[in-house]
Amino acid sequence: AQTVTQSQPEMSVQEAETVTLSCTYDTSESDYYLFWYKQPPSRQMILVIRQEAYKQQNATENRFSVNFQKAAKSFSLKISDSQLGDAAMYFCAYTRGGSQGNLIFGKGTKLSVKP
Amino acid sequence: NAGVTQTPKFQVLKTGQSMTLQCAQDMNHEYMSWYRQDPGMGLRLIHYSVGAGITDQGEVPNGYNVSRSTTEDFPLRLLSAAPSQTSVYFCASSYGPGLHPGELFFGEGSRLTVL
Repeated sequence: AQTVTQSQPEMSVQEAETVTLSCTYDTSESDYYLFWYKQPPSRQMILVIRQEAYKQQNATENRFSVNFQKAAKSFSLKISDSQLGDAAMYFCAYTRGGSQGNLIFGKGTKLSVKP
Repeated sequence: NAGVTQTPKFQVLKTGQSMTLQCAQDMNHEYMSWYRQDPGMGLRLIHYSVGAGITDQGEVPNGYNVSRSTTEDFPLRLLSAAPSQTSVYFCASSYGPGLHPGELFFGEGSRLTVL
């Protein structure tokens, strides 16, 4: 069975600095997708970034980028120039290819941003 | 464009009572799903649907029923509520097969307390 592990329950970063959130996963599939979702205090789940397993290039979205290490089954999220609005729970998630949306989520990392 | 709408946002039930969480989306998405979020557990898939008339079980389906009579609506029914069903429930939708797999659009969540 596929699993997603986030080993950092809480992280803290100073405003304007960079922080990296860790995620590892386990799967025997070769076709899959990985995601980072953000959940601010409003509770709304928001997609931050997506990575296709077949793509070697790491995905980036403005200040957010990933380090996708397929052999190590590692998928970390780097947030550059952290802002107060980045404070939230961050969930790493996995879905196999061919699935429209049956995601397996990690337990989440709570990120605090200090002014 | 309302996106995914869940009602009610808050509900308190007594053990043994029944209720339905409503979910509607106006994006003509084929895929819809229900997740529950518990502290320290991330989100776990309850039931999902890949189109009208088609539903299937996720990771934690016991105690819940679903139906999908229209593309827009995907209600979640608790037939006899138990304290273990105290949780925050999220409805989510996604595009059809092959289109942006795993990119879910979430509702704002429904907090359910069973006494």
